[in-house]
Amino acid sequence: EDQVTQSPEALRLQEGESSSLNCSYTVSGLRGLFWYRQDPGKGPEFLFTLYSAGEEKEKERLKATLTKKESFLHITAPKPEDSATYLCAVQAKDMRFGAGTRLTVKP
Amino acid sequence: NAGVTQTPKFRILKIGQSMTLQCTQDMNHNYMYWYRQDPGMGLKLIYYSVGAGITDKGEVPNGYNVSRSTTEDFPLRLELAAPSQTSVYFCATETGTEKLFFGSGTQLSVL
Repeated sequence: EDQVTQSPEALRLQEGESSSLNCSYTVSGLRGLFWYRQDPGKGPEFLFTLYSAGEEKEKERLKATLTKKESFLHITAPKPEDSATYLCAVQAKDMRFGAGTRLTVKP
Repeated sequence: NAGVTQTPKFRILKIGQSMTLQCTQDMNHNYMYWYRQDPGMGLKLIYYSVGAGITDKGEVPNGYNVSRSTTEDFPLRLELAAPSQTSVYFCATETGTEKLFFGSGTQLSVL
């Protein structure tokens, strides 16, 4: 069965302290891997799509990378406004979401 | 453009009651989805629609029904509400590129 696992469940960083979030997956026939940001009380907001191993996408302080088994969301010099839950989803036969990583960035 | 609008934002139901969660979009997207989000779990697909008049079951359809009479509207019906249906419900649309646009959600409690 297709599975998506995100780690860690929660991450607390100091402002400026870079780190990475992990999304590991086991699916047959990956068509795309997606990263979303979700703020409390809001719906998820699209960040990136990655289609093949070795692909990278960047947006401000965020960079997403993809291998054959996992994706990383790297956060460089985070700011408090980067605090949110980050969701990973994989599209194969259908779309499967991970449970998310709740990121808190303290000033 | 409002995007994807969901109403109500919050609702408390008693066991056995029924209700309809409304979802309206003004982006002219053909694909629409209903997801539920439970603490510690990934979003689960309830129902989806690829266009007006066409709907299909997702991963967790039991206890729910949908209809799609227009491109804009995709209501989700709960019949005989149960505590297991306590969740946050999200409606989403998609252009066919698999990138989803979500509404702000409906938080439902069944007591």
